[in-house]
Amino acid sequence: EIVLTQSPGTLSLSPGEGATLSCRTSQSVNSNYIAWYQQKPGQAPRLLISGASRRATGIPDTFSGSGSGTDFTLTISKLEPEDFAVYYCQLYDNSLKWTFGQGTKVEIK
Amino acid sequence: QLVESGGGAVRPGGSLRLSCTASGFTFDDYGMTWVRQAPGKGLEWISGINWRGDTIAYADSVKGRFTISRDNAKNSLYLQMNSLRADDTASYHCAREGYHYFGMDVWGRGTTVTVSS
Repeated sequence: EIVLTQSPGTLSLSPGEGATLSCRTSQSVNSNYIAWYQQKPGQAPRLLISGASRRATGIPDTFSGSGSGTDFTLTISKLEPEDFAVYYCQLYDNSLKWTFGQGTKVEIK
Repeated sequence: QLVESGGGAVRPGGSLRLSCTASGFTFDDYGMTWVRQAPGKGLEWISGINWRGDTIAYADSVKGRFTISRDNAKNSLYLQMNSLRADDTASYHCAREGYHYFGMDVWGRGTTVTVSS
């Protein structure tokens, strides 16, 4: 089973700053199988990125994804107040199975 | 849109059946999944089913206890949960898998399951 490790656990930043979130897989994976989600308290997750770098419908271009092999990154170029949330990476592990990372909380400094 | 129902409080060892009703899209075009979130914890994928209902997968944590199914005529997804344990306490979300891409692009708000004696 492939394990996803997100870092850091918490990122304390100010509005207007940039954020870099990491997701590492325990073995090399197909980047098409990597997605990123945002979740705010009391809400369902929202798909941000699929295929490691493809923004979902309606996602602003301040969000970008990159990476390959075992290292993947979600970058938020300029934090807006509504961007403070928990972010999860996800891997499709074949045969309909999925795995989530443990999440990175982006909080207001 | 996806709307879950069927959550509630149940004793350990008990059963519940969750439902997820879809609207606004062609339900039988999409694979569907159940994802849960224990209080204060992260997301856990627990089960998925393809558009026809003939390919199914489970996380090890629920295999043998939970059964996923769908009724495309009713635009509905189900999760039969048996032998419930305290660590099954969570908010349960249904989610739609992307069409020709890997991701879950539509989510329900969730239904809460509490397993306690």
